Amino acid sequence: NAGVMQNPRHLVRRRGQEARLRCSPMKGHSHVYWYRQLPEEGLKFMVYLQKENIIDESGMPKERFSAEFPKEGPSILRIQQVVRGDSAAYFCASSPTSTAGNTIYFGEGSWLTVV
Amino acid sequence: GENVEQHPSTLSVQEGDSAVIKCTYSDSASNYFPWYKQELGKRPQLIIDIRSNVGEKKDQRIAVTLNKTAKHFSLHITETQPEDSAVYFCAAIGTGGFKTIFGAGTRLFVKA
Repeated sequence: NAGVMQNPRHLVRRRGQEARLRCSPMKGHSHVYWYRQLPEEGLKFMVYLQKENIIDESGMPKERFSAEFPKEGPSILRIQQVVRGDSAAYFCASSPTSTAGNTIYFGEGSWLTVV
Repeated sequence: GENVEQHPSTLSVQEGDSAVIKCTYSDSASNYFPWYKQELGKRPQLIIDIRSNVGEKKDQRIAVTLNKTAKHFSLHITETQPEDSAVYFCAAIGTGGFKTIFGAGTRLFVKA
């Protein structure tokens, strides 16, 4: 049973370009979460999605950031017109479909560097 | 929404000593409290968790305690080893039951 798969692992973008990060949850999991971790800092919640639905995006910046989890395919976190402050590790996590209080399991992360 | 505070931010102990990390949470409805360990450049990995119907849980050298009345929970590592050196995050499941909110992390150094 493969774990949470994220790609790319490392991504370099110039200021103003777009970054697109992908996440495939663990088999049998339909809840996906994105977290951002700035260097030497903690894990900040960004968005929680289920298939075709954004459930909670209270941690997402209002501009330039968007997320989706289509019926088919991975979840995608999209950052438009990247700036240096977007440089961070972006972790995706997933949990199974059941009641509240489920453990979330993290992918290996995508490290974004904006130059 | 839920808020999780974690202390200390840095902890240095001698090999063999114990380490204690403390967290408080704000949402009295929270009922699940996992702890994650993150090594440099790696993903956070679950090391132990506790649910609100239990006051204490132990797994070899690691134990967690929960005081629901005070909204405190703690991680205890006994007989620390250099490989325990990492950043540890406490977390709580907030209102709605699906959003895991993390503390700011504790960087643990175990000196040989």
